[in-house]
Parts: sequence; C-alpha cells; structure tokens
Amino acid sequence: NAGVTQTPKFRVLKTGQSMTLLCAQDMNHEYMYWYRQDPGMGLRLIHYSVGEGTTAKGEVPDGYNVSRLKKQNFLLGLESAAPSQTSVYFCASRGTSGSSGELFFGEGSRLTVL
Amino acid sequence: DAKTTQPPSMDCAEGRAANLPCNHSTISGNEYVYWYRQIHSQGPQYIIHGLKNNETNEMASLIITEDRKSSTLILPHATLRDTAVYYCIVTGNQFYFGTGTSLTVIP
Repeated sequence: NAGVTQTPKFRVLKTGQSMTLLCAQDMNHEYMYWYRQDPGMGLRLIHYSVGEGTTAKGEVPDGYNVSRLKKQNFLLGLESAAPSQTSVYFCASRGTSGSSGELFFGEGSRLTVL
Repeated sequence: DAKTTQPPSMDCAEGRAANLPCNHSTISGNEYVYWYRQIHSQGPQYIIHGLKNNETNEMASLIITEDRKSSTLILPHATLRDTAVYYCIVTGNQFYFGTGTSLTVIP
C-alpha cells in the first residue's frame, strides 16, 4: 500500500516552461488537495477536489491548473512557470466526511524555477 | 472556513505537558477542529480532531471550550521528538493550514 505518491520529487525549470506534477493515491479517497510551502511558511492551499471530475480553487490558485479525470489521480499544472512558483509542493488525500478526516500526505515535490 | 489564531512559538521542558492554544471564534456548527504537526520539511502528520467533545488518543488530548471558540492541544509528556510546527485547522472541506505554532521542547 503506497499511500500518496508524488511525481517528480525534484524538478528545475526555466522561466516560461510548463510542467505537470502528478499525485496518485491508492486508498480510494474522494478528496484530494495540492499545497505549496515556501521556506519558513505554512502550507497554502492551491486547489482541491471533492471527487472525480471536480476541482475547486483554494487560497493561491493563480498560475496553476488542476485536473481530476480519474479518482486516484490529481494533476497540478504550471503553464508558464515563474520564479515565484519556486516552492515545495505537497499533495494530500482523505476519505469522505464522516471518516476520521485524516489527511494523508505525499513526500513533497521540490520545484525550482530559474 | 473559519480562521484560526495561534501563537507563533512556544517552548516546553522535556517531560512536561505542552499546551498549545488555538482561537477560532468564527467557527460554525458543522466545522471540525483538526490538529496536525510538521517536522522539518516532511508532510504534515495528523494528530487529533474533534467537533464538540474533548478527545484523547495515543498522541494527545484535545480540549474544546463549550462555546467552541477556542481549543487546546495537550501533549502530556513532551519529548524532544515533539519539536515541530503545530497547526490548528477549522474546516469543512478546504483544510487551510495557516502559520501554526513552532514548539521547541527543551532538554
């Protein structure tokens, strides 16, 4: 049981390049989340999904797009990367309301935009 | 989702109880109080959650005031490994983490 897996774990981009971060969970969870964490700061919610085919904006959605075509996958896209998007990105998932509410996190993806 | 207010930092002597406060005066009736912690740059770790009643598990206790406007996370016997950033979250679906409290356990 792998839990939540993020791919890739490290990436260096040039300004203007695009990329996609993949989050995969094998726990049949309904809810999935993408966060970013800058040095010395807390996690900020980018986008989230409450089920397959749904997405919603969080606190800092600008510059990012997401898709949830399959229940187990939640993709985070950067269409035109900027240095301000240099950060560590965390994906998380949890079951439906009524469960413990525990968020299961991936190990994080460190992105550097030059 | 309701906002939370936590002190930015706290110290606690090893072996003593660590009491971490959180204010959430705008909490609504169906919102839960969750606590997570983050050690170094790892993904946050779930600690405990509750709605109205006090809760206890193997890691900690959660005390929620009767009006639900504040709560306290209690680590009964803090160890050096409890040094971390602790986040109090009040939420339905969104899970906004805020800035948390940096707890340092002192030998």
